[in-house]
Amino acid sequence: NAGVTQTPKFRILKIGQSMTLQCAQDMNHNYMYWYRQDPGMGLKLIYYSVGAGITDKGEVPNGYNVSRSTTEDFPLRLELAAPSQTSVYFCASSLGQGESGNTIYFGEGSWLTVV
Amino acid sequence: DAKTTQPTSMDCAEGRAANLPCNHSTISGNEYVYWYRQIHSQGPQYIIHGLKNNETNEMASLIITEDRKSSTLILPHATLRDTAVYYCIVRPLRTNAGKSTFGDGTTLTVKP
Repeated sequence: NAGVTQTPKFRILKIGQSMTLQCAQDMNHNYMYWYRQDPGMGLKLIYYSVGAGITDKGEVPNGYNVSRSTTEDFPLRLELAAPSQTSVYFCASSLGQGESGNTIYFGEGSWLTVV
Repeated sequence: DAKTTQPTSMDCAEGRAANLPCNHSTISGNEYVYWYRQIHSQGPQYIIHGLKNNETNEMASLIITEDRKSSTLILPHATLRDTAVYYCIVRPLRTNAGKSTFGDGTTLTVKP
């Protein structure tokens, strides 16, 4: 049981490039999330999904896209990378039901630098 | 979801108990109190949660006041590895996933 797995761990992008951050969970969780965390700041919710085929915007969705074709995977797409997207990105998941349904499990993070 | 207020930072001596307060005066009857922590450069980690009774697990204890307007996370014997940002979050059992937000938390520094 690996939990939440993110790849890549580190990436440098040039301005205007695009890339996809991959996220997979093996806990059969319904809910999945993408957060970003700028240096010294708190977590900001980018996008979330409550099940396969269902996604919605969080607090800071501009410049990002997501898809959820399976329960396990929730990739985050950056189109036309900008320096403001330099951040640490965390993928997370939760069961979404039951008393433990709100417990959120996080991946180890993906460090992205846009130059 | 109810808003929470935490001190920005706290210090604790190694080996002593660390008591981290959280104010959630607008908490509703169906909302749970959750605590997470984030050690530098790592993903946040779930610690404990509770509704109204005090809770204890292998990591920490959670004390919720009788009126549920505040709570305290207790790390009974803090170590240097407990230095982290601690987040207090209030959320109902069936939550709107879009409200799964975290505040700025309390930065706990454990000193030798």
